[in-house]
Amino acid sequence: SQKIEQNSEALNIQEGKTATLTCNYTNYSPAYLQWYRQDPGRGPVFLLLIRENEKEKRKERLKVTFDTTLKQSLFHITASQPADSATYLCALAIGGSQGNLIFGKGTKLSVKP
Amino acid sequence: GAVVSQHPSRVICKSGTSVKIECRSLDFQATTMFWYRQFPKQSLMLMATSNEGSKATYEQGVEKDKFLINHASLTLSTLTVTSAHPEDSSFYICSARDPRGGWETQYFGPGTRLLVL
Repeated sequence: SQKIEQNSEALNIQEGKTATLTCNYTNYSPAYLQWYRQDPGRGPVFLLLIRENEKEKRKERLKVTFDTTLKQSLFHITASQPADSATYLCALAIGGSQGNLIFGKGTKLSVKP
Repeated sequence: GAVVSQHPSRVICKSGTSVKIECRSLDFQATTMFWYRQFPKQSLMLMATSNEGSKATYEQGVEKDKFLINHASLTLSTLTVTSAHPEDSSFYICSARDPRGGWETQYFGPGTRLLVL
């Protein structure tokens, strides 16, 4: 069956450290992969998109890697802050030009001061 | 980025009644909008794709007669949950693509919390 797995339901780290979240998938060949941030009771907010032919993307303190051989994406937040605490979702785009998104369950990140 | 709004933000209704949720793109025209449902600690599940001026495309397992979608204009899509039951209680989120920012990116509304008693 088709699956998207985010490595852990929850991740606790200390402020200033780098948070690394993992997204693994099986039986998909996505055209691109996206990461979103979701705060409690709110809709997801788009963070980064990485295409299948890209290895790495950066945006300020965020970095995303995409390994289509391993079928894995890593999402890094460097110099983490308590304000980074949220649930982070990975989403795969399938379905050609329609590009419907399939979401993982998310990883809840808590950054302690 | 682009702004998508939803109304209401939360609604409580009695079993058997119908509830309408509005999704608006505030600063862009969206030919395609999406409706998702999210249960606690679960992933967002796509319910249907709403295309302006045509019928919505529903995902497998989603009852089109129960979840009525209307996309009457380029800035408004509505989801009506008909004859709601307690199991329909969930977090409903819409999204839209902003054609100015590339077709891949979806902008999500803040969500509507539905509680059916």
